[in-house]
Amino acid sequence: GAGVSQSPSNKVTEKGKDVELRCDPISGHTALYWYRQSLGQGLEFLIYFQGNSAPDKSGLPSDRFSAERTGGSVSTLTIQRTQQEDSAVYLCASSLAMSGQGIRSNTGELFFGEGSRLTVL
Amino acid sequence: GNSVTQMEGPVTLSEEAFLTINCTYTATGYPSLFWYVQYPGEGLQLLLKATKADDKGSNKGFEATYRKETTSFHLEKGSVQVSDSAVYFCALKVKDSGGYQKVTFGIGTKLQVIP
Repeated sequence: GAGVSQSPSNKVTEKGKDVELRCDPISGHTALYWYRQSLGQGLEFLIYFQGNSAPDKSGLPSDRFSAERTGGSVSTLTIQRTQQEDSAVYLCASSLAMSGQGIRSNTGELFFGEGSRLTVL
Repeated sequence: GNSVTQMEGPVTLSEEAFLTINCTYTATGYPSLFWYVQYPGEGLQLLLKATKADDKGSNKGFEATYRKETTSFHLEKGSVQVSDSAVYFCALKVKDSGGYQKVTFGIGTKLQVIP
């Protein structure tokens, strides 16, 4: 499709189980972001992939969280041993890389998927 | 580091009222500034953007001006409609020294417009 696709749209799991969330970005977009949206918490940055560079993992809240991006396209966010506080909507976004300066720059606005709602019981 | 501060909601307005949602930022480097909107049951989408000082972004009757001197990017609309009810996020994007393009969002402001 033309947009960012995320799956599953809803996931209910039991505490302690592992979950995988998938993101299929817009074709040609080199940058891919994961965010977490919790009630009253806004958008929390998790991880960012840019081309073949090492990802920026500075937002991952614990070592239970990991993500990979295979072939520079599809990304999977994995949460191991889920906890109730992991319940949130996990958003993926993709963009073209920023480039250039001034009026000829590409500002690389983000295109978001509709998110994966995770509920940990 | 980079940060975005925006007023917390909810903001409740009557239809046709004037809207201002404040947004200020701190950034290392020269950011691009954005407003994203999330309508009920939908994903976030770009509302408007500005890439340099004094630029004005506009879309759907909304406007925001990039004010470098006050590090602000306040969102305004002269006459809101019920269909504008949504959550609005201010964001900045800047390339850091390592080449990473960090995108930082504010907490989001929920707008409710009543008929």
